[in-house]
Amino acid sequence: GQSLEQPSEVTAVEGAIVQINCTYQTSGFYGLSWYQQHDGGAPTFLSYNALDGLEETGRFSSFLSRSDSYGYLLLQELQMKDSASYFCAVRDRAAGNKLTFGGGTRVLVKP
Amino acid sequence: DAGVTQSPTHLIKTRGQQVTLRCSPISGHKSVSWYQQVLGQGPQFIFQYYEKEERGRGNFPDRFSARQFPNYSSELNVNALLLGDSALYLCASSQGLAGNNEQFFGPGTRLTVL
Repeated sequence: GQSLEQPSEVTAVEGAIVQINCTYQTSGFYGLSWYQQHDGGAPTFLSYNALDGLEETGRFSSFLSRSDSYGYLLLQELQMKDSASYFCAVRDRAAGNKLTFGGGTRVLVKP
Repeated sequence: DAGVTQSPTHLIKTRGQQVTLRCSPISGHKSVSWYQQVLGQGPQFIFQYYEKEERGRGNFPDRFSARQFPNYSSELNVNALLLGDSALYLCASSQGLAGNNEQFFGPGTRLTVL
């Protein structure tokens, strides 16, 4: 089966940098995605990595190392509105088309 | 453009009852997936439909069923409700099955089973 591990909670102050790590186990890795979900809201897509390396989108960046089965989401210049849960997710070729999510990392940004 | 829509937003049922949740994908999207999200956990995959055919099924009992209509909207049915079925049910649409995994989620239906 597939499994993903990410920290349960991270706290930081405005303007700081936060890195959320994600390690995964899967038999037919296709790519690693990141989603943001505010309390009471729907998950929204942030990024996708299929190849090794860093993808940058504004204040957020995502990294993947396929050989280490590891990725991370980097949140820079933290703002209060970044307080949310962040999920890594993989699609596994061997598991059909389902998207498997990690348990989520709750990020709390303090003034 | 309208995003993914789901109805109803909230629902309260009692054990043993049946429920039908509805989802309309983004215009032009042919794939719809259903997820169950228990509070404090990540979404768990239930079903995926593409072009009206089931393309994936998660580890959920047969009490859960779904279908997709010719206009690509979808329904999720849950029979014989249990207390443990209380959760946020999310629908997500995507253009196809391949690509960058980007799925667009609807606001969800909050189901409470008493």
